[in-house]
Amino acid sequence: GAVVSQHPSRVICKSGTSVKIECRSLDFQATTMFWYRQFPKQSLMLMATSNEGSKATYEQGVEKDKFLINHASLTLSTLTVTSAHPEDSSFYICSASTSGVIDEQFFGPGTRLTVL
Amino acid sequence: DQQVKQNSPSLSVQEGRISILNCDYTNSMFDYFLWYKKYPAEGPTFLISISSIKDKNEDGRFTVFLNKSAKHLSLHIVPSQPGDSAVYFCAASAYKGGSTLGRLYFGRGTQLTVWP
Repeated sequence: GAVVSQHPSRVICKSGTSVKIECRSLDFQATTMFWYRQFPKQSLMLMATSNEGSKATYEQGVEKDKFLINHASLTLSTLTVTSAHPEDSSFYICSASTSGVIDEQFFGPGTRLTVL
Repeated sequence: DQQVKQNSPSLSVQEGRISILNCDYTNSMFDYFLWYKKYPAEGPTFLISISSIKDKNEDGRFTVFLNKSAKHLSLHIVPSQPGDSAVYFCAASAYKGGSTLGRLYFGRGTQLTVWP
């Protein structure tokens, strides 16, 4: 099946620093990638949708200047958490799709971000 | 506002028995429902889905039932196996057919433990 990787799997940073998370589709070209956030004991919440070569579409309540998303190629999307604060500590997970069919959305393993 | 609810955070079942995981939703616009399975340190993987035009979909040991009037769906696993132990997420979308990738709304997940 299609494989999506994320790097790093876990990151700890100081408050005020920026953190970049990579999401890669390893064996397929992803025209669309999604970024989700999951707080403890909460559901996966969609943050933004990105299509290759165009600006990301952010969900209501998600600050686009704080969570910078770049989908520069068909196999790579990055999420940069700028000036991270402790409340940004969460589990960030991406998914990728090549076909646009809803069942064919493949998830990465996630990145655990801890901001001290 | 939690539009997809999984009210049982955990379920424990003996091997060979039936596992029933429940999911409720509030948005009447949802017309496509999916179940994902997630092992630790891995991303969710698609398990089974159902369209609102059906009330049942079966795939091997997994069956999903949809009760639209009650806005309720359930996932049945028969017989349950220890390898089924994982977190199961229910997701819903206002997917109107075709190839459009609709936004997914997730429940908080249910941890299923199947013991020998």
